[in-house]
Amino acid sequence: DSGVTQTPKHLITATGQRVTLRCSPRSGDLSVYWYQQSLDQGLQFLIQYYNGEERAKGNILERFSAQQFPDLHSELNLSSLELGDSALYFCASSGLAGLYNEQFFGPGTRLTVL
Amino acid sequence: TQLLEQSPQFLSIQEGENLTVYCNSSSVFSSLQWYRQEPGEGPVLLVTVVTGGEVKKLKRLTFQFGDARKDSSLHITAAQPGDTGLYLCAGEETSYDKVIFGPGTSLSVIP
Repeated sequence: DSGVTQTPKHLITATGQRVTLRCSPRSGDLSVYWYQQSLDQGLQFLIQYYNGEERAKGNILERFSAQQFPDLHSELNLSSLELGDSALYFCASSGLAGLYNEQFFGPGTRLTVL
Repeated sequence: TQLLEQSPQFLSIQEGENLTVYCNSSSVFSSLQWYRQEPGEGPVLLVTVVTGGEVKKLKRLTFQFGDARKDSSLHITAAQPGDTGLYLCAGEETSYDKVIFGPGTSLSVIP
């Protein structure tokens, strides 16, 4: 158990809909990362937050947004969903920024868009 | 943006064999991490290497960071079915604390 929790574990929805994925980092970790993993794309970095502020942005679509709240949990919002958004979405957290950024991953949310 | 390459992409071996997988980049990383991921689960951190030339051992797994901190290898001795999984390397860019992941090596150890 990494200490990172993600909900829901599975999500099935239709094209055009909007969903919210939730992540709670390990106790004390200030950084939260979001990743998308599909069979043909590997693990793709989406976005990183550090103590409530956006720190780094990767291949995140404009239809996607995220935020980190004062209690450090984070949410990833996916809107106008398309079939190609079906994937595993992972959240990871890490401790002190500027050190080795060893990341601890949650169990993931499997999103299926029909 | 720095890119990481991993080879081989797929590897299928018999139990008891030895293997090495590689992680390469044309750029320098301040640190490099190895993760193992099982199907449907999140990656799990195995090790972090920081110093050029550094070697770390974790039971039957040996990790090495290249002298120039551009590449790394993972050697598994006497592979077991429990070693099956996707092995990902991740490099921390030197400019700031962004971490990038390689595409992974999918290892299958056949009993």
